[in-house]
Amino acid sequence: NAGVTQTPKFQVLKTGQSMTLQCAQDMNHEYMSWYRQDPGMGLRLIHYSVGAGITDQGEVPNGYNVSRSTTEDFPLRLLSAAPSQTSVYFCASSYWQGDGYTFGSGTRLTVV
Amino acid sequence: GIQVEQSPPDLILQEGANSTLRCNFSDSVNNLQWFHQNPWGQLINLFYIPSGTKQNGRLSATTVATERYSLLYISSSQTTDSGVYFCAVHRAGKSTFGDGTTLTVKP
Repeated sequence: NAGVTQTPKFQVLKTGQSMTLQCAQDMNHEYMSWYRQDPGMGLRLIHYSVGAGITDQGEVPNGYNVSRSTTEDFPLRLLSAAPSQTSVYFCASSYWQGDGYTFGSGTRLTVV
Repeated sequence: GIQVEQSPPDLILQEGANSTLRCNFSDSVNNLQWFHQNPWGQLINLFYIPSGTKQNGRLSATTVATERYSLLYISSSQTTDSGVYFCAVHRAGKSTFGDGTTLTVKP
């Protein structure tokens, strides 16, 4: 099925642990992005990529790293998890920035 | 950065009613999108509409870029329309979302 696949769907981390959220798309989209959604709020941009090998920071990049070695994959790394990073994380892709986004189903992360 | 304000924050309708959701933004943008987040958290793109008017079934959207606002119209609302509606503006590689309008449609 064509689309954006995010794994895992749920994760509980202890403070200080690291982990990688996976995002993969099979639509040959150049633009990929990561967002976090906190309760009662809209989505905030963490990092984005306009193509393989090119990444840039969004609105809330601190504590997160990304890389884009292939067109298909755009993993998000939490370096040292903090309770403030408890949130729902969404990955999105599109042919170009601002084109119709396709979102993954989200990862619900809890840091204790 | 660009500020995006959506109104109203909450809206309760009876099934069959019509509604208008508004999105104001503070600066010129390249593109604008409307999304629906259903009660299960899934985000669906409704419209990609940097300017002009588009229609898709019971939904339509209008963006007046020169006046920095966009409107989403929902006609003959159904219970399945419930959820949160977000607008997002895009400029220079970055996207900014509003805080959304939570729509509840009662049977």
